[in-house]
Amino acid sequence: NAGVTQTPKFQVLKTGQSMTLQCAQDMNHEYMSWYRQDPGMGLRLIHYSVGAGITDQGEVPNGYNVSRSTTEDFPLRLLSAAPSQTSVYFCASSSQTDLNEKLFFGSGTQLSVL
Amino acid sequence: ELKVEQNPLFLSMQEGKNYTIYCNYSTTSDRLYWYRQDPGKSLESLFVLLSNGAVKQEGRLMASLDTKARLSTLHITAAVHDLSATYFCAVNGGATNKLIFGTGTLLAVQP
Repeated sequence: NAGVTQTPKFQVLKTGQSMTLQCAQDMNHEYMSWYRQDPGMGLRLIHYSVGAGITDQGEVPNGYNVSRSTTEDFPLRLLSAAPSQTSVYFCASSSQTDLNEKLFFGSGTQLSVL
Repeated sequence: ELKVEQNPLFLSMQEGKNYTIYCNYSTTSDRLYWYRQDPGKSLESLFVLLSNGAVKQEGRLMASLDTKARLSTLHITAAVHDLSATYFCAVNGGATNKLIFGTGTLLAVQP
């Protein structure tokens, strides 16, 4: 199994540009989420989804959009990138039916906004 | 709003020594997770604690949960260099399905 796959691994944007971070999982997990990781601040939840067609906001949703048209995919969109969005982004998924419900993380996307 | 606090934020310890990392959270939750992150890498699940009094151990790491005190501990026994990493606790926000992370503890084990 590939698990959780994130693309790209690295990206440099100019302020105001838009882009989409891709996330796909092949474990048939209902729950998917996006986090950003900044030095000294741990991981902060951006958006999450408990199933296809359902999304909700996390701790820091401003400046980001998500959609969940399929169980497998959960893309994160930056409509107008800002330097404050420079960060490492992680996608994660878990099963809602597994008692442990532990999160499986992708390998991360390093994003720099100039 | 659920808040998760870890301490210490940085821990430098000698090989062979014991130490404990603490994780406090602010509201009732039904489960707590511990993760490990090596530099430049993704997060790896260590433990899932599902009930009050739960204790799990793997190798030199042991995690426990006290839901009444809203406290979890990660105890390191006879540390070795390979345990050097950042350790995160995370708490499920109950029915909201939100997993909220602590700020992490950077552990450096010195020879």
